[in-house]
Amino acid sequence: DAMVIQNPRYQVTQFGKPVTLSCSQTLNHNVMYWYQQKSSQAPKLLFHYYDKDFNNEADTPDNFQSRRPNTSFCFLDIRSPGLGDAAMYLCATSGPRGIPATNEKLFFGSGTQLSVL
Amino acid sequence: GESVGLHLPTLSVQEGDNSIINCAYSNSASDYFIWYKQESGKGPQFIIDIRSNMDKRQGQRVTVLLNKTVKHLSLQIAATQPGDSAVYFCADLYGNKLVFGAGTILRVKS
Repeated sequence: DAMVIQNPRYQVTQFGKPVTLSCSQTLNHNVMYWYQQKSSQAPKLLFHYYDKDFNNEADTPDNFQSRRPNTSFCFLDIRSPGLGDAAMYLCATSGPRGIPATNEKLFFGSGTQLSVL
Repeated sequence: GESVGLHLPTLSVQEGDNSIINCAYSNSASDYFIWYKQESGKGPQFIIDIRSNMDKRQGQRVTVLLNKTVKHLSLQIAATQPGDSAVYFCADLYGNKLVFGAGTILRVKS
């Protein structure tokens, strides 16, 4: 069963039209991350929450905002999407205790592919 | 306009051969390192991790080597299979911040 769920899988929006991407987790992890990944590039960290504490990366544009209403959910809001914001957006979670067999402590969702027309 | 994407380096190997993928990290204070595999249109998939107090860790068909002196990680895949074709990223964790290094495309030739 998926532990980090991102919806929708594909999102199409219009230039300048606000869009919200969602992420939910069943792991009860206290840290949630949002990454932007453009074609042929590494995922780039936009921001992360440690519980309710929001940590923005210095180079994340103001156009990107995030909300975490509770432990399970985290949202990425793009206030005025531009053509350059078309990318895969990845959500990830981490917690203090991983799965003993693999020691895995960070989990990624499948991503939302955003297109801007 | 939109910036041009970086071209990831490509490693081509023959099926059955061993693969070695290298990565450099920049934060000398990072204490936890992870290798991810990413297939087209999917999120990164955990492969193996290593803590900074180790220099080698082995998994099934994979080995990670850590050289803290030169801030270098490598991923060795034994007997590479067609299903190993993907993009591979290293990532380092400092505190709660997980940062990815540049990826490498692995192509396996049958």
